[in-house]
Amino acid sequence: KAGVTQTPRYLIKTRGQQVTLSCSPISGHRSVSWYQQTPGQGLQFLFEYFSETQRNKGNFPGRFSGRQFSNSRSEMNVSTLELGDSALYLCASSPGTASYEQYFGPGTRLTVT
Amino acid sequence: AQSVTQLDSQVPVFEEAPVELRCNYSSSVSVYLFWYVQYPNQGLQLLLKYLSGSTLVESINGFEAEFNKSQTSFHLRKPSVHISDTAEYFCAVMPTDKLIFGTGTRLQVFP
Repeated sequence: KAGVTQTPRYLIKTRGQQVTLSCSPISGHRSVSWYQQTPGQGLQFLFEYFSETQRNKGNFPGRFSGRQFSNSRSEMNVSTLELGDSALYLCASSPGTASYEQYFGPGTRLTVT
Repeated sequence: AQSVTQLDSQVPVFEEAPVELRCNYSSSVSVYLFWYVQYPNQGLQLLLKYLSGSTLVESINGFEAEFNKSQTSFHLRKPSVHISDTAEYFCAVMPTDKLIFGTGTRLQVFP
C-alpha cells in the first residue's frame, strides 16, 4: 500500500496570505489528523477528521481550518498567515474508529516571510 | 490534562553502546503509549506501541520499551545502537483520539 502523501512538500508564503495543504491518507483509512511541528512548541495537534466530520480539535485559532472529502483526502487551510505559522505540518492517517495507530506523511514545510 | 515529559533533550552515545531514552507521562485515565522516530527532513515513523497486555514491547529493529504504571513511565531502550539510529525520538500518549507528544530526544550516535 502507498503511504500517506502530502502536497506540496515545501511552500513559501508572505504574511497575510492564505495557504492550503493537502493530504492523501493510506487507502482504506478513514481518519486524518493534522499536527504542527515547530522548534519552540514541538508537535501540537490541530484537528482530526473522520468520515468528513471534524471529530477532534486542538487549541489553535480559527485561522486554521480543515475539511475532509468523501474519498478521505483532507485539506487544511491557514488564512491571514503570520510569521509564527512557519512550521512543518504533518498529516497522519489511521484506519477508523480505533484510531490509535497513526501513520504519518512526510510533511509540508511552510515558511512565512 | 495529560502530558508527556522527555527528560533528556539530547543523548550522545558511541556506536554499539546501550542507550535509554526516558519518558514519563501524567494521566488520570488509561492511555495508549507510543514511541515515534523522526529522521532528518522526514515525517514520524511509529517505532513501537503499548496498548494493553505485556508491559514489555519490542520493535523490529532492536528497540524495546517497558510500560511501568506505578512510575508512569515508558522508557525506550536498545542494548547496542548503530550509527543509523541517529534521529529524533518522540514519546506520545493517546488518552482519546489525539496524540500528545513529548518534546523529543535527539539521539546522536558517534563512531
